[in-house]
Amino acid sequence: GQQVMQIPQYQHVQEGEDFTTYCNSSTTLSNIQWYKQRPGGHPVFLIQLVKSGEVKKQKRLTFQFGEAKKNSSLHITATQTTDVGTYFCAGLENNDMRFGAGTRLTVKP
Amino acid sequence: DTEVTQTPKHLVMGMTNKKSLKCEQHMGHRAMYWYKQKAKKPPELMFVYSYEKLSINESVPSRFSPECPNSSLLNLHLHALQPEDSALYLCASSQEPTGTLYGYTFGSGTRLTVV
Repeated sequence: GQQVMQIPQYQHVQEGEDFTTYCNSSTTLSNIQWYKQRPGGHPVFLIQLVKSGEVKKQKRLTFQFGEAKKNSSLHITATQTTDVGTYFCAGLENNDMRFGAGTRLTVKP
Repeated sequence: DTEVTQTPKHLVMGMTNKKSLKCEQHMGHRAMYWYKQKAKKPPELMFVYSYEKLSINESVPSRFSPECPNSSLLNLHLHALQPEDSALYLCASSQEPTGTLYGYTFGSGTRLTVV
């Protein structure tokens, strides 16, 4: 079945540094979604990418969908302590939505 | 109302108990989901209800029994659980079955401990 691989598993940065997490699928995805889960919280929908090569921005967050629709990335510029949490990608293939393993981000003030 | 409400927030149950988890949304979403999340792991899909019909059952043991009484409610009935079933149980909903318009809206979850 479809698998969505996500790296790195953990990332620890100094406040102000940039952060990137990557998702890769073995199959072509219909779309990819990104979620953020704060410690002790629940996943919160951030964004969805549908088109090949799509790039979307939300303030300091930049999301990209690969040309082949098999990979995606989330980049955070100048991290803040409020960015702490686990970032999950979730890929949709044939109506089957699967979450990546997540990247746990910690930010040192 | 843009929330998915789950009750209870915490539940401790014995292996012989029967309990139910409840989920409610009033956003008019037509798909509802149950996910199980173990610590430091991603959510794992258990069940999908689409237009109040069970459309996906991810080979979940029969000790978990979902129910969708109407388009706003989703229950998860628990019976004879094992300690390894202890986890955060998340309910989610989406406007349409594939969640391709606005993603999934998750509830805050029920933290279940089986003793």
